[in-house]
Formats: sequence, structure tokens, C-alpha cells
Amino acid sequence: DTGVSQNPRHKITKRGQNVTFRCDPISEHNRLYWYRQTLGQGPEFLTYFQNEAQLEKSRLLSDRFSAERPKGSFSTLEIQRTEQGDSAMYLCASTSPSSGSQETQYFGPGTRLLVL
Amino acid sequence: AQSVAQPEDQVKVAEGNPLTVKCTYSVSGNPYLFWYVQYPNRGLQFLLKYITGDNLVKGSYGFEAEFNKSQTSFHLKKPSALVSDSALYFCAVRDWPYNTDKLIFGTGTRLQVFP
Repeated sequence: DTGVSQNPRHKITKRGQNVTFRCDPISEHNRLYWYRQTLGQGPEFLTYFQNEAQLEKSRLLSDRFSAERPKGSFSTLEIQRTEQGDSAMYLCASTSPSSGSQETQYFGPGTRLLVL
Repeated sequence: AQSVAQPEDQVKVAEGNPLTVKCTYSVSGNPYLFWYVQYPNRGLQFLLKYITGDNLVKGSYGFEAEFNKSQTSFHLKKPSALVSDSALYFCAVRDWPYNTDKLIFGTGTRLQVFP
């Protein structure tokens, strides 16, 4: 399967701990997105990369959140000093824009975070 | 600001009957609209999109959607529902300016198809 993969699929942590999630996009997709989905809501945009450059960050992404894509391939999302409000599904998506930028974002299975 | 609304939290339909999941949008400029489906504990799966052209868009698994500019709607439809179609459906619109590519999602509609 050459779709978007995310690890881990589930993470339980205690408040105040740091967590890191990984996303591997579809091969050769140069754009990578992170979204957060809480119960009963649609996904909300967090940040996105074009190759290794982080081009946009949402106001939702507080100082405790950091994302990287060091070689323009996989990406990591780290949350420091986790809070209970961080409990959510974290989704990664990738796409490969061509002329017109009308491409579809393909999503991974997500990482479900529970902060106790 | 771009936005989409899904007025129904839940839709119930009998297997074999046609289904409709509603979505309305508010955009600056031409709308780029998408439908995704989410099964339990899974990520979002792309169904179809409208960018331009024919107002009736055909997608995966027999789904289609009708773009209606005058009513600012993009309803998802299927002629004959299957029990396996039961899932959470999200309508989304691409944000403006388009170079960001980010999607803005509705709150989702849970479709329940009963035998």
C-alpha cells in the first residue's frame, strides 16, 4: 500500500508529557498537511509544508506545537507539555500540485491522542 | 471567509433507497468543493470533487454530487444505498487564496443505512 501512513495509530499519555507523531506521505508528494479532529467536529487545519518549507501555521498551533519535515519526505508533529485539551485525532494528508493547484489531498489513518 | 455547512447531523435511509447528504457553501471566488468519507477509527477517504465544468460530478463507490451555484449547494447523492455506506461524511471547501491548498471542513453528517 503506497498511501499516507501515520505512526503511532494510538497514543495515551499523561498531562505534561511530550509526544511526537510521524507522517509518511505518498511517495513524491511534495505538499504535506496536518489537521486536528476533535469529537463531533470536522478536521481543522494546523500547518502545511511544501517540500521542507513550512509555509503556513494555524492560530490553533500554539507554541507547544512544532512540526518539521527535514528532508522534504516524512514529517513529525511534536506536542510539548501536553494538556487534556490536546486529546484529538491528528490527521496527515499529502498532495502533489501541478498547474492549477486543484489537487486532491489524500489522508492517512490518523493518530488518536488521549491525554490523561 | 470560506465555509461549508452540513445542516444535518444524521441521515437515516433504508438499504436500496436513494440517499442525499446536504452541503451548502459560502466562498469568495469560484468554489473548489470536496466530499470525504470517514469510517470508524480511520482517516478520511476521498470521494469526489468539483472544480469546474459539469455540475454533476461522479465519484467513487457510486456516489455523485450536484453543484448548484444559485443555491450554493453541493449535495452528495447515491441512487441506491448500501449498509456498507454507513459512515461519517464531510463536505469541504478549499480556502482562499488558493495557493494555500488547505481545506475547510463541515461538521460532518453521520449516514446510517439500515437493512
